[in-house]
Amino acid sequence: KAGVTQTPRYLIKTRGQQVTLSCSPISGHRSVSWYQQTPGQGLQFLFEYFSETQRNKGNFPGRFSGRQFSNSRSEMNVSTLELGDSALYLCASSFPGDGYTFGSGTRLTVV
Amino acid sequence: AQSVTQLGSHVSVSEGALVLLRCNYSSSVPPYLFWYVQYPNQGLQLLLKYTSAATLVKGINGFEAEFKKSETSFHLTKPSAHMSDAAEYFCAVSLSGGSNYKLTFGKGTLLTVNP
Repeated sequence: KAGVTQTPRYLIKTRGQQVTLSCSPISGHRSVSWYQQTPGQGLQFLFEYFSETQRNKGNFPGRFSGRQFSNSRSEMNVSTLELGDSALYLCASSFPGDGYTFGSGTRLTVV
Repeated sequence: AQSVTQLGSHVSVSEGALVLLRCNYSSSVPPYLFWYVQYPNQGLQLLLKYTSAATLVKGINGFEAEFKKSETSFHLTKPSAHMSDAAEYFCAVSLSGGSNYKLTFGKGTLLTVNP
């Protein structure tokens, strides 16, 4: 079966701009979560959605937001980009008992 | 609350040698535990998971891990390292039942395999 698909794979943005990243989960998976990976902070949890509802949120500023659609696809948005937002953003989908399956990530560079 | 500590940010072994990557966890309730591997410029691939069944868990590519509650540990081992095992490895914990809907990761261990 198809895995978790994240688009785009690479993105370059300028400080102050906003960006939207997309994640399509494995068919049948209704839970989608997002993580930020940086060399300094490692892997940090952003938020998790299930059936279009956010169930948990990490410790990130309000510039980071997300949503989930009725087909379980999810998007995350970062507004007013800062240099420190440069990171690999990973999406994971999960099904009870199956663990978390990750996509290949979106590499965001803010210049 | 949950946390993970991976001892050793960098481990170097010779090809054919034993691989041992250490992970200790802290969890307020019985945990679910995971090991993931990450190759350069890629996402995370699940190696194995512990979800309260057998304490010795076998995963892909010859890896296994043993859950030891008394030591709050979940160390990853492989009897014989292969060059293709060179990658970064992450231990992660979630609360049993997935009740807080997130993984908490360790800082990672970079495994180098020398010929």
